[in-house]
Amino acid sequence: GAVVSQHPSRVICKSGTSVKIECRSLDFQATTMFWYRQFPKQSLMLMATSNEGSKATYEQGVEKDKFLINHASLTLSTLTVTSAHPEDSSFYICSARTGTAYGYTFGSGTRLTVV
Amino acid sequence: QQQVKQSPQSLIVQKGGISIINCAYENTAFDYFPWYQQFPGKGPALLIAIRPDVSEKKEGRFTISFNKSAKQFSLHIMDSQPGDSATYFCAATTGGATNKLIFGTGTLLAVQP
Repeated sequence: GAVVSQHPSRVICKSGTSVKIECRSLDFQATTMFWYRQFPKQSLMLMATSNEGSKATYEQGVEKDKFLINHASLTLSTLTVTSAHPEDSSFYICSARTGTAYGYTFGSGTRLTVV
Repeated sequence: QQQVKQSPQSLIVQKGGISIINCAYENTAFDYFPWYQQFPGKGPALLIAIRPDVSEKKEGRFTISFNKSAKQFSLHIMDSQPGDSATYFCAATTGGATNKLIFGTGTLLAVQP
């Protein structure tokens, strides 16, 4: 089945630094990938939708200059949290559409802790 | 209109019992309703999904019941097992070009041995 690999699984960074999270589709080409953020005991909140070769579409309230998304190839999307602050600490999850209209596969998530 | 309401927030069930989680939506453009299971520190995994043209779908111990007129759908877990203890999310999406998943608020299920 479709597999989405997300790295790193955990990252701790200092306040003010930037962190990059990678999301790869291993056995399929993903024209569309999604990035979610999940706080403890809460639901997944969609941050942005990225399409290969074009600019990401951000949800209302998500700072595009803070959360940089790049989808340069059909198998790789990256999320860079710039100038991270403790309030950015969260669980970030990517998802890729598998090509069918309703096929979504999720990565295993990245636990970001900003100290 | 983009919300999917989910209840209960948490649920405790004895082993062998039936777990029932309910969701409701407003947007009639939604045409695909998946359920996801998430374990701590992991991404969500698709459990079962339904389209609005059927009223029920069963896969093993998991059943989705769908009421299109009431705009409600539910997940039933039969013969619940301790290994089913996880957070469950309902979701909905449209068939349009934007086609993004809207998640419910989640239900933390604990199955006691």
